[in-house]
Amino acid sequence: QQPVQSPQAVILREGEDAVINCSSSKALYSVHWYRQKHGEAPVFLMILLKGGEQKGHEKISASFNEKKQQSSLYLTASQLSYSGTYFCGTEDLFSTGNQFYFGTGTSLTVIP
Amino acid sequence: DAGVIQSPRHEVTEMGQEVTLRCKPISGHDYLFWYRQTMMRGLELLIYFNNNVPIDDSGMPEDRFSAKMPNASFSTLKIQPSEPRDSAVYFCASSPPIRGSGLRDEAFFGQGTRLTVV
Repeated sequence: QQPVQSPQAVILREGEDAVINCSSSKALYSVHWYRQKHGEAPVFLMILLKGGEQKGHEKISASFNEKKQQSSLYLTASQLSYSGTYFCGTEDLFSTGNQFYFGTGTSLTVIP
Repeated sequence: DAGVIQSPRHEVTEMGQEVTLRCKPISGHDYLFWYRQTMMRGLELLIYFNNNVPIDDSGMPEDRFSAKMPNASFSTLKIQPSEPRDSAVYFCASSPPIRGSGLRDEAFFGQGTRLTVV
């Protein structure tokens, strides 16, 4: 099932913080985060595998909750280069194979 | 490695014509994915291969779409016959597995093929 992302869009001034959420109705095996700039391909940011995990660096980081149903991406002290659409991607593992879904995306615009 | 290579970058074709999109994944990657992106539907997974074998093609919209991966270094997505509603950006991506988990690691995307069917 496609994960639900929120918010759909956000506008920030440089230096402000943002949080993007990604949630699923059931526990997941992993969550990926990608950023796509206009006219370009998505670029990988990070992957989270474990419940309770947090990773990234001080400016861009992410968390995966204990139940592995929700992940959040944190953008701190935003820069103009952070503008783009952020997607979470989720993976379920079944006996017949894996299933992958991208969320609907969150458009982030950073203005001076 | 040069990354995932897709061709052509742009394709304009008339309705009813056959279209073939090509992809060369990164060497050593076990997974290959075909995605379609439109404003209305976002980023949709069409099909993915694991070790050249199609695993999940449930995202292929209809029989007009077919995909092959004859070897580890090449894949095609074919649309026959093409229709205007197929107009989109088609991305190919590849990724290695996370050892011992059965899960995929970071996906590397090609630059995409912008398809316009008139």
